[in-house]
Amino acid sequence: DAKTTQPNSMESNEEEPVHLPCNHSTISGTDYIHWYRQLPSQGPEYVIHGLTSNVNNRMASLAIAEDRKSSTLILHRATLRDAAVYYCILRDVSGSTLGRLYFGRGTQLTVWP
Amino acid sequence: NAGVTQTPKFQVLKTGQSMTLQCAQDMNHEYMSWYRQDPGMGLRLIHYSVGAGITDQGEVPNGYNVSRSTTEDFPLRLLSAAPSQTSVYFCASSSLTLSGPSYNEQFFGPGTRLTVL
Repeated sequence: DAKTTQPNSMESNEEEPVHLPCNHSTISGTDYIHWYRQLPSQGPEYVIHGLTSNVNNRMASLAIAEDRKSSTLILHRATLRDAAVYYCILRDVSGSTLGRLYFGRGTQLTVWP
Repeated sequence: NAGVTQTPKFQVLKTGQSMTLQCAQDMNHEYMSWYRQDPGMGLRLIHYSVGAGITDQGEVPNGYNVSRSTTEDFPLRLLSAAPSQTSVYFCASSSLTLSGPSYNEQFFGPGTRLTVL
């Protein structure tokens, strides 16, 4: 299983953009980049995923480096409800590990009013 | 849709007791899994299933049993609880159909907080 590296914590002010980085230098060609977040006392929830191209959805944007060895989750305007632990995960959709997610410790995002 | 439901929300056991954590999903997902989360840590995979009658071990399977008799249900059994199994347990499900709308998304339940004394 490939691994990811994220900062332990980040801070932002409300209504400012937040860029959460993730390094995954050992990524393979069949690994999708997934982001999940976990609000306090809740289960993780899906945020976004991508393979090679940048992706946007209603929650966030995902910017993927051209060599795919790093990615950045972008929250365009942070709100207090975005305070959570954000996990960057590589998901191999091939072979016997189909469907499995490998969680690291993630980045604790604090949002100040 | 209720999504993924877990019962109970909280449980206290004594060492050596057994119990079953329940997990159910109503999205007709093939893939279901159990994770545990210890304080300050990410989630670790215990067991998973890719369909009824098919289960396999994850990263930390020791002390846990699972079975999958239906698509909807995936119970986790602790045969003889130990203090090291004190944790929060999450069940998750996802579609394995490549063309399905939720193929790339895992849906998590609210968790069961287990304390073993």
